[in-house]
Formats: sequence, structure tokens, C-alpha cells
Amino acid sequence: DAKTTQPPSMDCAEGRAANLPCNHSTISGNEYVYWYRQIHSQGPQYIIHGLKNNETNEMASLIITEDRKSSTLILPHATLRDTAVYYCIVRVEWAGNNRKLIWGLGTSLAVNP
Amino acid sequence: EPEVTQTPSHQVTQMGQEVILRCVPISNHLYFYWYRQILGQKVEFLVSFYNNEISEKSEIFDDQFSVERPDGSNFTLKIRSTKLEDSAMYFCASSEARWGSGNTIYFGEGSWLTVV
Repeated sequence: DAKTTQPPSMDCAEGRAANLPCNHSTISGNEYVYWYRQIHSQGPQYIIHGLKNNETNEMASLIITEDRKSSTLILPHATLRDTAVYYCIVRVEWAGNNRKLIWGLGTSLAVNP
Repeated sequence: EPEVTQTPSHQVTQMGQEVILRCVPISNHLYFYWYRQILGQKVEFLVSFYNNEISEKSEIFDDQFSVERPDGSNFTLKIRSTKLEDSAMYFCASSEARWGSGNTIYFGEGSWLTVV
């Protein structure tokens, strides 16, 4: 099962930063933290991933604590289009050459005008 | 930006009928996947595929399911005899051929299957 814990829902005002937390206290040394989001049953959209260093791209920033037991996804200026379910995934099982993502229920983020 | 494309976007089928869902993965990707999501539930792994064979499959992926890469671009999921409980959104995904963790899996927009 998913090895992450996320709040089921969060609200954020449009234009403000959205900070989405994720606990992954049992993460192992070689497991990456991935973030995806799903807008109203569309296909999951990749946002960002990291191992131990903080990461930033055009969509978001990922802050990983030094002990790697938790992380925070930051959307710096949330818009209405960022309303979605956000998934934090750390369990990426190996199967030979491949890997599979194991999904939890995520955080439903509502960005309000 | 390259993307995974899926067809059809929505299909309604009678119980017991065969269904084929089609996917065109990102062109330089060599690893392919199918996931599904029943309405209101988690995204679930079905199968992964590499080098023209199944790498791993979940307990959901029983004998009624099969996957195929019939040519250099398409990747298909076939459900031989659909059941009501197969109604779900089916997502195709792909990733680059690269060893090591930190690889990114990209998803298509999904095919919504309704079995009646």
C-alpha cells in the first residue's frame, strides 16, 4: 500500500502559495518522492520529483526535510486551474526493468477566488 | 511537448463484449504501462511492458486482459469479455529507457470505459 500520508483536503486563495504536505516516515534511501496531480478525472500530470535535495521547476517547488521523512509541494502562486487532487508517491517498486507507482488518495486542493 | 495519446476517450460496451483500448506512447519511450481508476477510487496499477513482453502485472490483470504492441507506435489493452466491474478510466503511461530511479512516468488523458 501507499507509504505516504496526506491531508484529504486543503483550501488556498487564488494568487497565494499553496503548501501541500506529505509524510513518508518509512521512506528508504533509494526511494524518490514524486508528485502528480489529477484534474477532474483527467490523466495524472507529473509535477516534480526529488531524492534528497530541494527541487524547483516551472510548475512547483519540492522541499524535502533533511531526514527525508516528509516533504512539501509548493505552488508559488496558485490559480483556479490548480484545483486538483495532488498525489505524493514514494513507493516505486522495482520489477526487473520497470517500476510501478502505488497511489494513495491524495490531497484535494481547492483554489478559491 | 510530447504526450501520451489514448483512444477512444469514451466507450460504452455491452457486458461480455471485447474491448480494445489504444495508446500511442511518447516516441522515444520504451517502457509502457496501463493503470485504471474506478470512479472515486485510487489509481491502480495493471501491467508494465518492456521489450515486447510483460514485466509485471497486478492481481487485477487476469486472463481476461492482454496487452500488445502490434507495431512501432501503438500499445493496446484488450479486455476479452467485459464485466460490469471493468467500468473505469484506463490510463496508459510510458517512460524512457533508462536504468536507475528518478525516472518519470507520463500519463495519457485516459479512456473511460462503461460496461452496461
